[in-house]
Amino acid sequence: EIVMTQSPATLSVSPGERATLSCRASQSVSSNLAWYQQKPGQAPRLLIYAASTRATGIPARFSGSGSGTEFTLTISNLQSEDFAVYYCQHYYNWLLTFGGGTKVEI
Amino acid sequence: EVQLLESGGGLVQPGGSLRLSCAASGFTFSDYAMSWVRQAPGKGLEWVSEISGSGASVYYADSVKGRFTISRDNSKNTLYLQLNSLRADDTAVYYCARHFYGVLYFEHWGRGMLVTVSS
Repeated sequence: EIVMTQSPATLSVSPGERATLSCRASQSVSSNLAWYQQKPGQAPRLLIYAASTRATGIPARFSGSGSGTEFTLTISNLQSEDFAVYYCQHYYNWLLTFGGGTKVEI
Repeated sequence: EVQLLESGGGLVQPGGSLRLSCAASGFTFSDYAMSWVRQAPGKGLEWVSEISGSGASVYYADSVKGRFTISRDNSKNTLYLQLNSLRADDTAVYYCARHFYGVLYFEHWGRGMLVTVSS
């Protein structure tokens, strides 16, 4: 099983600032990495796939980077609607695993 | 528009069984692999099981292997999850999710439904 580790667990930022979220895989997953946003009481929403490709309708302030074992999700110019929990997920093999999540709070 | 609507959740006693359903619309159901993902209260996301578009291939997380069974009826555009030998730690919101075509990230999600295992 590939273990996905996200850091930090909680990130306190102010509107308009930049947030940088990290995700580390226990072994290389190449670029088979997705990011999701989840708000309270809602289902997750796909933000990024293939490590750096924004999903349909996702604003350009969300960007992903990395490959292999180290990945980053950057949210520029944080908006009020961006305060949520963010999860990474690998899809390198069929045993899909998520990171533990990073909560972005004010 | 892709829609995934789960049903069948609720309260069940430890050791009991439940069958979850997910009605899909807005796409050619048989073309896409589908999964169930769960989230225990206040916890993160856990992939539970995946089934290929044809239903020929199925995969399970170790935590549910031997107790849960995923299946699909492509004539009814419906995904199922049979939950047997339920335990308290199976308590979670269960989401139905559609993968992107041929790739295993989750492109679309249902709204989720709560399964509570308690006496």
